[in-house]
Amino acid sequence: GENVEQHPSTLSVQEGDSAVIKCTYSDSASNYFPWYKQELGKRPQLIIDIRSNVGEKKDQRIAVTLNKTAKHFSLHITETQPEDSAVYFCAATPLDGTSYGKLTFGQGTILTVHP
Amino acid sequence: IAGITQAPTSQILAAGRRMTLRCTQDMRHNAMYWYRQDLGLGLRLIHYSNTAGTTGKGEVPDGYSVSRANTDDFPLTLASAVPSQTSVYFCASSDSFGLTSTDTQYFGPGTRLTVL
Repeated sequence: GENVEQHPSTLSVQEGDSAVIKCTYSDSASNYFPWYKQELGKRPQLIIDIRSNVGEKKDQRIAVTLNKTAKHFSLHITETQPEDSAVYFCAATPLDGTSYGKLTFGQGTILTVHP
Repeated sequence: IAGITQAPTSQILAAGRRMTLRCTQDMRHNAMYWYRQDLGLGLRLIHYSNTAGTTGKGEVPDGYSVSRANTDDFPLTLASAVPSQTSVYFCASSDSFGLTSTDTQYFGPGTRLTVL
């Protein structure tokens, strides 16, 4: 099955700096890569996702890049703000007729943005 | 529209007892999922259902069972709870069929379960 490794486990930045979280996956059939943000005591919420037919996707201060050859993808947050502080999870799955939706998650990154 | 709800919010359970965690969605999503979240291990898939009447095993299915009698409900049952099942349980749903499907999984608020 799929295995997703996420690094770093903790990340501390100053407000306004950029933050980068990286994930690697093992199953070359995976083609859908979402990122979730989870605030303390809350549910995970999707912040951005990417499919394997594109290499990069941006949404305001958030971007995700995908390298299918190397089997890794990254989350980039620019101009970080204290409200970006949360746990971030990457995930991967092949979207096909039998495996779609069976997300394999990384272990999570605790991001702390200091004012 | 409530989205996806779970009950109970939290529960303390004696080992050996049977427990059913409830999950209901009103988005008419075809697919539903159960995850457990443990510190340092992220979210792990327990069981899933692609459509009403069908279920499948995820990464950590042992000790759990599910049913999907209709589109909206997807209960998770622990037949005989053990302390290692102490965790936070999240239900999720997604629209994964058709031209308008997004595959985005929407999570419920979670159930914190402690087995003593």
